[in-house]
Amino acid sequence: AQKVTQAQTEISVVEKEDVTLDCVYETRDTTYYLFWYKQPPSGELVFLIRRNSFDEQNEISGRYSWNFQKSTSSFNFTITASQVVDSAVYFCALRGGGAQKLVFGQGTRLTINP
Amino acid sequence: NAGVTQTPKFRILKIGQSMTLQCTQDMNHNYMYWYRQDPGMGLKLIYYSVGAGITDKGEVPNGYNVSRSTTEDFPLRLELAAPSQTSVYFCASSQPGNEQFFGPGTRLTVL
Repeated sequence: AQKVTQAQTEISVVEKEDVTLDCVYETRDTTYYLFWYKQPPSGELVFLIRRNSFDEQNEISGRYSWNFQKSTSSFNFTITASQVVDSAVYFCALRGGGAQKLVFGQGTRLTINP
Repeated sequence: NAGVTQTPKFRILKIGQSMTLQCTQDMNHNYMYWYRQDPGMGLKLIYYSVGAGITDKGEVPNGYNVSRSTTEDFPLRLELAAPSQTSVYFCASSQPGNEQFFGPGTRLTVL
């Protein structure tokens, strides 16, 4: 069975602080894919990143960075110098190599206060 | 290129009524999906399709039906609406192995 755990239900920080959202996953597949999606207050789901299980390189995109560690089954997401527009619910998701179905975590609600 | 579109945006149903949620994508994606999102929760897969004429159940299929007669369209049917089906419904599409692109969602309330 596949499972994604986002233990942080809600996080609230002041603007310009750095914040890390945790994601821990479980899978027996050797090939799998991890995703992060953002759901702003408007409700749509916005794709942020995809990472496959063979690529443990960290990725940085502007103020966003992702740390993938197979040894701890984690795929954490850090926002540097947070902004109010980063306020959203963030979902981590997992897809097994042979399947097309995404398994979502329960999400972390991030609030950036001015 | 509109991506994934869903209609309606909002709907209120009475218990026992039926309705169809429409989903269309213009990206020529083979794979399409229906998810539901309950308040404060992540998304759960209802049904998915890997191509026209092929559908399969997801995690929570009971009370729903789907069909896929074309690549573009993947409607979701609720036959006998129940309060437990009050949720936000998202349609998504993808190419094999790639990320899923989501529609704007349909907010359904069953009273």
